[in-house]
Amino acid sequence: AQSVAQPEDQVNVAEGNPLTVKCTYSVSGNPYLFWYVQYPNRGLQFLLKYITGDNLVKGSYGFEAEFNKSQTSFHLKKPSALVSDSALYFCAVRDPAGGGNKLTFGTGTQLKVEL
Amino acid sequence: DAGVIQSPRHEVTEMGQEVTLRCKPISGHDYLFWYRQTMMRGLELLIYFNNNVPIDDSGMPEDRFSAKMPNASFSTLKIQPSEPRDSAVYFCASTIGTEPTKQYFGPGTRLTVT
Repeated sequence: AQSVAQPEDQVNVAEGNPLTVKCTYSVSGNPYLFWYVQYPNRGLQFLLKYITGDNLVKGSYGFEAEFNKSQTSFHLKKPSALVSDSALYFCAVRDPAGGGNKLTFGTGTQLKVEL
Repeated sequence: DAGVIQSPRHEVTEMGQEVTLRCKPISGHDYLFWYRQTMMRGLELLIYFNNNVPIDDSGMPEDRFSAKMPNASFSTLKIQPSEPRDSAVYFCASTIGTEPTKQYFGPGTRLTVT
């Protein structure tokens, strides 16, 4: 069965510093990987995805993620954090070999960016 | 487009009562998903539909939960009878088959069962 793990419940970073939110995955074949963000009292919003091609994927709001097959990781990054980036971030995976369009989400990482 | 619309936004009910949550997907989207979010279990997929047909309901916790999609613009998630452990935020999401993994989420319904 496909799964993703987000090892950190919370990440704190100072505004202007780079940020990384970690995600590792487990699937039977080549994965489709995603990041979503959830602001308070809102639904999740799509940030970016990796299907195939370049290992570095660029998404919304200046975020990017790096796919690393050998480490089975898909960490979310941003060169310079903003206070407005504070939110709950979810990594997700779809196993294309499994069929269907089911995404499996991680438990989420709360990002707090402080002045 | 107004996005995915869910109603009500908040629901407080007593244990044993029937609860019905409603969702209107984005027009033209042919996939609809129901999720449940809790602190303990995170975000769980309950069921999803394609062209109004349930495809995978393996996440539905028990027979007290049922979901329907009578047409392309409306879906319901019903809990009968409700229990305190059903308290959670329930999200509906929709997407289009050409890009099935970019899901658009509604604002959620916060359900409290006392």
